[in-house]
Amino acid sequence: EVQLLESGGGLVQPGGSLRLSCAASGFTFSSYAMSWVRQAPGEGLEWVSAISGSGFRTYYADSVKGRFTVSRDNSKNTLYFQMNSLRAEDTAVYYCAKGGCGYDGVCSHFDYWGQGNLVTVSS
Amino acid sequence: EIVLTQSPGTLSLSPGERATLSCRASQSVSSYLAWYQQNPGQAPRLLISGASTRAAGIPDRFSGSGSGTDFTLTISRLEPEDFAVYYCQQYSGSLLFGQGTKLEI
Repeated sequence: EVQLLESGGGLVQPGGSLRLSCAASGFTFSSYAMSWVRQAPGEGLEWVSAISGSGFRTYYADSVKGRFTVSRDNSKNTLYFQMNSLRAEDTAVYYCAKGGCGYDGVCSHFDYWGQGNLVTVSS
Repeated sequence: EIVLTQSPGTLSLSPGERATLSCRASQSVSSYLAWYQQNPGQAPRLLISGASTRAAGIPDRFSGSGSGTDFTLTISRLEPEDFAVYYCQQYSGSLLFGQGTKLEI
C-alpha cells in the first residue's frame, strides 16, 4: 500500500523558514518523480514544485522560485521542501504527491497524495 | 503558458442525476489530462488519467472523454458521496490545475 506521510508544518513569522518532509512507502521511491502541491484556505490546488526520481532535476512554479528548494533522499525514501523567505500568501495546506516531471521533462499525473500539512505564515 | 478553464464553477444537481463537468485548455495538451475529486478536509483523489482511464478502485459511473483542448468528466448517476470539488490537471510538459468545479446538492 502506498503511503505518503508528511511532517514539519506549523506557524512561522513572515520572512522565516520551515522544512517539510514526506516519508514514502509502498513503492520504489527512487523510480518516481515527486511533487509538492499546495492549497490556500478556501482556494484551489496549486502545483509548486517537482523533482525527478534521481533528484537531478527540479522544477518550480514562479510563485516559489528562488525561495523554496525541493530535494529527496532516496536512501531514506523521503522528500523534502525547504521554504525560506516565507510570505503571508504562502499560507496553505501543503501536499506531497507521487508524480510530477522526470529528468527528461516528461510529466505525469499525481496518483497518490499525502494527508496534507498546514503551513501558516503570520506575525 | 497553458491555461485550464473549468466550467461551470458550481453545479447544483440531485442524487441519481447525471453530471457533466468541462475542462478547456488554452492550447492542446493531447490526452495528458487528469481529473481529481476532493472532499472537504481531505486530500485530492485521482479519478481519471490520460483523459479517459479510470484510476484503480474508481466506480464506473465516472468517465472521462476528450483530447486536445476540450475535456469532459461525466458522472452517470450521482451518489451522495459524489458531491465534492473536482479539478482537472494537465501534464503536457508542465503541471497545472484548473480552478475547480464544486458539485453541490
